[in-house]
Amino acid sequence: KQEVTQIPAALSVPEGENLVLNCSFTDSAIYNLQWFRQDPGKGLTSLLLIQSSQREQTSGRLNASLDKSSGRSTLYIAASQPGDSATYLCAVIIVQFYFGTGTSLTVIP
Amino acid sequence: GAVVSQHPSRVICKSGTSVKIECRSLDFQATTMFWYRQFPKQSLMLMATSNEGSKATYEQGVEKDKFLINHASLTLSTLTVTSAHPEDSSFYICSASGRTDTQYFGPGTRLTVL
Repeated sequence: KQEVTQIPAALSVPEGENLVLNCSFTDSAIYNLQWFRQDPGKGLTSLLLIQSSQREQTSGRLNASLDKSSGRSTLYIAASQPGDSATYLCAVIIVQFYFGTGTSLTVIP
Repeated sequence: GAVVSQHPSRVICKSGTSVKIECRSLDFQATTMFWYRQFPKQSLMLMATSNEGSKATYEQGVEKDKFLINHASLTLSTLTVTSAHPEDSSFYICSASGRTDTQYFGPGTRLTVL
């Protein structure tokens, strides 16, 4: 069974700092990997989708990488802002979605 | 982009009552819809997958007689929590996919059972 783990569980950084969120998964036979953000009490906002044949995707200040062989993905956030404060979820996709446990990010002004 | 809505966004009910949650794809035909549950401080867990016109497929540990799923049309799926109890209090999120495998997520429904 696919298990998805995210480290750290919580992270607090000062505004402007660059940061990396980690996601690891146990079964490398994935179709895609997707990063989401979830604001408190809200649904999911898709950030980046990496197809299994790709190694990274970029959108604005966000960069996500994927290493299937090692079962890892990272989400890099450059120049963090208070508006980035949210829970970040990664999900590996093998027909269905397997979600990680999330990283709660707080960016301190 | 594709939009998925859920109604209601928040519901509070008494123990023993049934609650229906709707999931709609607003601008595409959803051949498959998924229902997830998220307990506080935990991640999303898939409850069931439904294809239009077919019976839903439930994940292990999810009671199909308690969580009734109907996917009667290509734009609507409903989840009915029957005889709800406080332990059913959770955040329920649906997602929908059409001709591609991309899933579009709804905004979620917060269920509180008193």
